[in-house]
Amino acid sequence: KQEVTQIPAALSVPEGENLVLNCSFTDSAIYNLQWFRQDPGKGLTSLLLIQSSQREQTSGRLNASLDKSSGRSTLYIAASQPGDSATYLCALSRPRAAGNKLTFGGGTRVLVKP
Amino acid sequence: GAGVSQSPSNKVTEKGKDVELRCDPISGHTALYWYRQSLGQGLEFLIYFQGNSAPDKSGLPSDRFSAERTGGSVSTLTIQRTQQEDSAVYLCASSLGGAGRRNTEAFFGQGTRLTVV
Repeated sequence: KQEVTQIPAALSVPEGENLVLNCSFTDSAIYNLQWFRQDPGKGLTSLLLIQSSQREQTSGRLNASLDKSSGRSTLYIAASQPGDSATYLCALSRPRAAGNKLTFGGGTRVLVKP
Repeated sequence: GAGVSQSPSNKVTEKGKDVELRCDPISGHTALYWYRQSLGQGLEFLIYFQGNSAPDKSGLPSDRFSAERTGGSVSTLTIQRTQQEDSAVYLCASSLGGAGRRNTEAFFGQGTRLTVV
Protein backbone atom coordinates (compact mmCIF):
# COMPACT_ATOMS: atom_id res chain seq x y z
CA LYS A 1 0.00 0.00 0.00
CA GLN A 2 1.30 3.42 -0.97
CA GLU A 3 2.05 5.73 1.96
CA VAL A 4 2.77 9.41 1.47
CA THR A 5 4.45 11.49 4.15
CA GLN A 6 5.06 15.21 4.39
CA ILE A 7 7.48 16.48 6.97
CA PRO A 8 7.40 18.92 8.64
CA ALA A 9 3.69 19.29 9.32
CA ALA A 10 4.14 23.03 9.81
CA LEU A 11 6.77 25.56 8.78
CA SER A 12 7.23 29.26 9.50
CA VAL A 13 9.68 31.44 7.55
CA PRO A 14 10.36 35.16 7.16
CA GLU A 15 9.33 36.83 3.93
CA GLY A 16 11.92 36.50 1.18
CA GLU A 17 13.32 33.19 2.34
CA ASN A 18 13.15 30.21 -0.02
CA LEU A 19 10.74 27.45 0.96
CA VAL A 20 11.59 23.76 0.69
CA LEU A 21 8.71 21.34 1.15
CA ASN A 22 9.26 17.59 1.27
CA CYS A 23 7.12 14.67 0.17
CA SER A 24 8.19 11.04 0.54
CA PHE A 25 6.46 7.89 -0.66
CA THR A 26 6.98 4.19 -0.11
CA ASP A 27 6.14 2.73 -3.55
CA SER A 28 8.25 4.04 -6.45
CA ALA A 29 5.80 2.68 -9.03
CA ILE A 30 3.90 5.93 -9.41
CA TYR A 31 1.98 7.36 -12.34
CA ASN A 32 1.86 11.07 -11.59
CA LEU A 33 2.74 13.28 -8.67
CA GLN A 34 0.79 16.46 -8.12
CA TRP A 35 1.38 19.37 -5.74
CA PHE A 36 -1.59 21.34 -4.45
CA ARG A 37 -2.16 24.42 -2.37
CA GLN A 38 -5.09 24.73 0.04
CA ASP A 39 -6.14 27.97 1.70
CA PRO A 40 -8.21 27.78 4.92
CA GLY A 41 -11.80 26.79 4.21
CA LYS A 42 -11.12 26.41 0.50
CA GLY A 43 -10.64 23.63 -2.01
CA LEU A 44 -7.36 22.51 -3.56
CA THR A 45 -5.54 24.48 -6.23
CA SER A 46 -3.28 22.49 -8.52
CA LEU A 47 0.26 23.90 -8.61
CA LEU A 48 2.35 21.42 -10.57
CA LEU A 49 2.00 17.92 -12.02
CA ILE A 50 5.04 15.73 -12.65
CA GLN A 51 4.65 12.63 -14.80
CA SER A 52 6.61 9.60 -13.65
CA SER A 53 9.02 9.94 -16.61
CA GLN A 54 9.91 13.52 -15.65
CA ARG A 55 12.47 14.79 -13.15
CA GLU A 56 11.06 18.25 -12.51
CA GLN A 57 8.49 20.86 -13.40
CA THR A 58 8.67 24.63 -13.07
CA SER A 59 6.07 27.36 -12.93
CA GLY A 60 7.13 30.88 -12.02
CA ARG A 61 8.65 30.84 -8.53
CA LEU A 62 7.72 27.18 -8.07
CA ASN A 63 9.88 24.21 -8.92
CA ALA A 64 9.04 20.60 -8.12
CA SER A 65 11.49 17.72 -8.44
CA LEU A 66 10.86 14.00 -8.48
CA ASP A 67 13.28 11.22 -7.55
CA LYS A 68 11.43 7.92 -7.80
CA SER A 69 14.43 5.82 -6.77
CA SER A 70 14.61 7.51 -3.39
CA GLY A 71 10.84 7.96 -3.10
CA ARG A 72 10.99 11.73 -2.77
CA SER A 73 9.61 14.89 -4.27
CA THR A 74 10.53 18.42 -3.25
CA LEU A 75 8.62 21.62 -3.89
CA TYR A 76 10.75 24.76 -3.92
CA ILE A 77 9.17 28.18 -3.64
CA ALA A 78 11.63 30.98 -4.29
CA ALA A 79 11.54 34.32 -2.49
CA SER A 80 8.52 33.53 -0.35
CA GLN A 81 5.75 36.09 0.13
CA PRO A 82 3.02 36.36 2.80
CA GLY A 83 0.53 35.32 0.10
CA ASP A 84 2.29 31.96 -0.07
CA SER A 85 0.93 31.13 3.38
CA ALA A 86 -1.26 28.05 2.95
CA THR A 87 -1.20 24.28 3.34
CA TYR A 88 0.71 22.44 0.63
CA LEU A 89 -0.25 18.87 -0.23
CA CYS A 90 1.42 16.31 -2.44
CA ALA A 91 -0.54 13.46 -3.99
CA LEU A 92 0.36 10.40 -6.04
CA SER A 93 -1.51 8.22 -8.46
CA ARG A 94 -0.48 4.63 -9.15
CA PRO A 95 -0.27 2.78 -12.47
CA ARG A 96 -3.02 0.35 -13.35
CA ALA A 97 -5.26 1.83 -10.70
CA ALA A 98 -8.71 2.59 -12.02
CA GLY A 99 -8.61 6.15 -13.16
CA ASN A 100 -6.00 8.27 -11.44
CA LYS A 101 -7.27 8.37 -7.90
CA LEU A 102 -4.87 10.21 -5.68
CA THR A 103 -3.22 9.22 -2.40
CA PHE A 104 -2.45 12.33 -0.37
CA GLY A 105 0.17 13.25 2.15
CA GLY A 106 -0.89 14.97 5.34
CA GLY A 107 0.25 18.37 4.11
CA THR A 108 2.66 21.04 5.31
CA ARG A 109 1.13 24.19 6.75
CA VAL A 110 3.27 27.17 5.76
CA LEU A 111 3.31 30.60 7.34
CA VAL A 112 5.34 33.36 5.70
CA LYS A 113 5.83 36.22 8.12
CA PRO A 114 6.09 39.77 6.74
CA GLY B 1 -18.06 25.76 -16.62
CA ALA B 2 -14.77 27.45 -15.81
CA GLY B 3 -14.06 25.27 -12.81
CA VAL B 4 -15.46 22.49 -10.66
CA SER B 5 -18.55 23.72 -8.86
CA GLN B 6 -19.93 22.18 -5.66
CA SER B 7 -23.12 22.90 -3.78
CA PRO B 8 -24.02 23.63 -1.12
CA SER B 9 -20.84 25.16 0.25
CA ASN B 10 -21.99 24.47 3.80
CA LYS B 11 -24.59 22.05 5.15
CA VAL B 12 -25.70 21.53 8.72
CA THR B 13 -27.97 18.56 9.26
CA GLU B 14 -29.41 16.63 12.16
CA LYS B 15 -28.17 13.16 12.93
CA GLY B 16 -30.24 10.57 11.10
CA LYS B 17 -31.23 12.83 8.19
CA ASP B 18 -30.23 12.19 4.57
CA VAL B 19 -28.11 14.71 2.65
CA GLU B 20 -27.24 15.20 -1.00
CA LEU B 21 -24.07 16.91 -2.17
CA ARG B 22 -23.71 18.07 -5.75
CA CYS B 23 -20.70 18.36 -8.04
CA ASP B 24 -20.61 19.96 -11.47
CA PRO B 25 -17.25 19.11 -13.14
CA ILE B 26 -15.31 21.05 -15.72
CA SER B 27 -17.00 20.75 -19.10
CA GLY B 28 -15.48 17.94 -21.17
CA HIS B 29 -13.90 16.16 -18.21
CA THR B 30 -14.89 12.51 -18.30
CA ALA B 31 -13.35 11.50 -14.96
CA LEU B 32 -14.87 12.62 -11.67
CA TYR B 33 -13.73 11.84 -8.14
CA TRP B 34 -15.12 12.36 -4.65
CA TYR B 35 -12.79 12.78 -1.69
CA ARG B 36 -13.39 13.45 1.99
CA GLN B 37 -11.22 15.63 4.21
CA SER B 38 -11.59 15.26 7.94
CA LEU B 39 -9.41 16.43 10.82
CA GLY B 40 -8.15 13.07 11.90
CA GLN B 41 -7.94 11.34 8.52
CA GLY B 42 -6.58 13.85 6.04
CA LEU B 43 -7.80 13.56 2.44
CA GLU B 44 -9.22 10.18 1.49
CA PHE B 45 -10.61 8.85 -1.76
CA LEU B 46 -14.28 7.86 -1.86
CA ILE B 47 -15.36 7.03 -5.43
CA TYR B 48 -14.29 7.45 -9.06
CA PHE B 49 -16.53 7.88 -12.11
CA GLN B 50 -15.53 7.43 -15.73
CA GLY B 51 -18.47 8.77 -17.67
CA ASN B 52 -21.57 7.55 -15.85
CA SER B 53 -20.05 4.37 -14.49
CA ALA B 54 -18.16 3.97 -11.24
CA PRO B 55 -15.34 1.45 -11.69
CA ASP B 56 -13.92 2.19 -8.26
CA LYS B 57 -16.16 2.60 -5.20
CA SER B 58 -13.57 1.21 -2.82
CA GLY B 59 -13.37 4.32 -0.65
CA LEU B 60 -17.04 4.57 0.32
CA PRO B 61 -16.98 4.03 4.09
CA SER B 62 -20.35 2.29 4.47
CA ASP B 63 -23.51 1.39 2.60
CA ARG B 64 -25.03 4.64 3.83
CA PHE B 65 -22.91 6.36 1.18
CA SER B 66 -23.84 6.26 -2.50
CA ALA B 67 -23.14 8.35 -5.56
CA GLU B 68 -24.38 8.67 -9.07
CA ARG B 69 -23.46 10.57 -12.17
CA THR B 70 -25.84 11.38 -14.98
CA GLY B 71 -25.22 12.55 -18.55
CA GLY B 72 -21.50 12.21 -17.99
CA SER B 73 -21.61 15.46 -16.08
CA VAL B 74 -23.19 16.29 -12.72
CA SER B 75 -22.63 13.93 -9.81
CA THR B 76 -24.53 13.60 -6.55
CA LEU B 77 -23.11 12.07 -3.37
CA THR B 78 -25.84 10.91 -1.00
CA ILE B 79 -25.34 10.10 2.66
CA GLN B 80 -28.26 8.36 4.34
CA ARG B 81 -28.99 8.41 8.05
CA THR B 82 -26.10 10.76 8.73
CA GLN B 83 -23.89 10.22 11.76
CA GLN B 84 -21.64 12.67 13.57
CA GLU B 85 -18.56 10.94 12.20
CA ASP B 86 -19.72 11.91 8.71
CA SER B 87 -18.87 15.54 9.51
CA ALA B 88 -16.11 16.55 7.10
CA VAL B 89 -15.39 18.53 3.98
CA TYR B 90 -16.43 16.64 0.86
CA LEU B 91 -14.34 17.55 -2.18
CA CYS B 92 -15.04 16.79 -5.80
CA ALA B 93 -12.41 16.74 -8.54
CA SER B 94 -12.46 16.19 -12.28
CA SER B 95 -9.86 15.44 -14.93
CA LEU B 96 -9.78 14.95 -18.67
CA GLY B 97 -9.61 11.17 -18.68
CA GLY B 98 -9.17 8.08 -16.60
CA ALA B 99 -7.01 4.99 -17.00
CA GLY B 100 -4.33 5.14 -19.65
CA ARG B 101 -3.84 8.89 -19.67
CA ARG B 102 -0.60 9.89 -18.07
CA ASN B 103 -1.26 13.57 -18.00
CA THR B 104 -4.52 13.69 -16.03
CA GLU B 105 -4.25 16.68 -13.80
CA ALA B 106 -7.00 16.78 -11.16
CA PHE B 107 -8.93 20.00 -10.59
CA PHE B 108 -10.84 20.39 -7.35
CA GLY B 109 -13.97 22.23 -6.33
CA GLN B 110 -14.27 24.37 -3.22
CA GLY B 111 -15.86 21.57 -1.26
CA THR B 112 -18.99 21.13 0.84
CA ARG B 113 -18.51 21.42 4.59
CA LEU B 114 -20.93 18.99 6.22
CA THR B 115 -21.71 19.27 9.91
CA VAL B 116 -23.91 16.65 11.55
CA VAL B 117 -25.37 17.78 14.87
